Amino acid sequence: DGGITQSPKYLFRKEGQNVTLSCEQNLNHDAMYWYRQDPGQGLRLIYYSQIVNDFQKGDIAEGYSVSREKKESFPLTVTSAQKNPTAFYLCASSIIDRGDRGGEQFFGPGTRLTVL
Amino acid sequence: AQRVTQPEKLLSVFKGAPVELKCNYSYSGSPELFWYVQYSRQRLQLLLRHISRESIKGFTADLNKGETSFHLKKPFAQEEDSAMYYCALSGGGTSGSRLTFGEGTQLTVNP
Repeated sequence: DGGITQSPKYLFRKEGQNVTLSCEQNLNHDAMYWYRQDPGQGLRLIYYSQIVNDFQKGDIAEGYSVSREKKESFPLTVTSAQKNPTAFYLCASSIIDRGDRGGEQFFGPGTRLTVL
Repeated sequence: AQRVTQPEKLLSVFKGAPVELKCNYSYSGSPELFWYVQYSRQRLQLLLRHISRESIKGFTADLNKGETSFHLKKPFAQEEDSAMYYCALSGGGTSGSRLTFGEGTQLTVNP
């Protein structure tokens, strides 16, 4: 089940440590996204990128950072500044069609981060 | 600003009964609406989008611009429909390709 992969599946971190979550896609999609999924709150957008070397903040970017050095890769760093980092993190990718609208988003399997 | 609201966090129906998952949105322009589904132990995936006007797995959804709603309906629910359902909106324009998701509705279809 390739397409878009995330690693690791489970991640434990001590308070005060930064941690990086991996997201890779082989779908040749231009756009990539990071969401945080919490019970009762749905998916909230952290960052997204529509082109290499460019990215935009989503609704809850504070305490997170990203990079987009390659089209295939969009790693997310959860920094020590993120006050409540324990969550399920989902990465997605899509084409960009009809001008600036996104196409269907394809999701990875997710990474569950637990801060100890 | 764009916003999506799913008023029901939990919805439980019996097999064979009709089901309707509610979705309301606020957006000043012309939105594109989607329903995504996450079955147990599977990835989140697209169920349907309003511009396709398709019926997927017996589900349909009609965009009502007057009521700013995009409710998901199925006349006869099946046990395999049990899943988490998310309504999502794409605004285009300066928001580009991003989606805004609702809070999700956990549907349980009982035998």
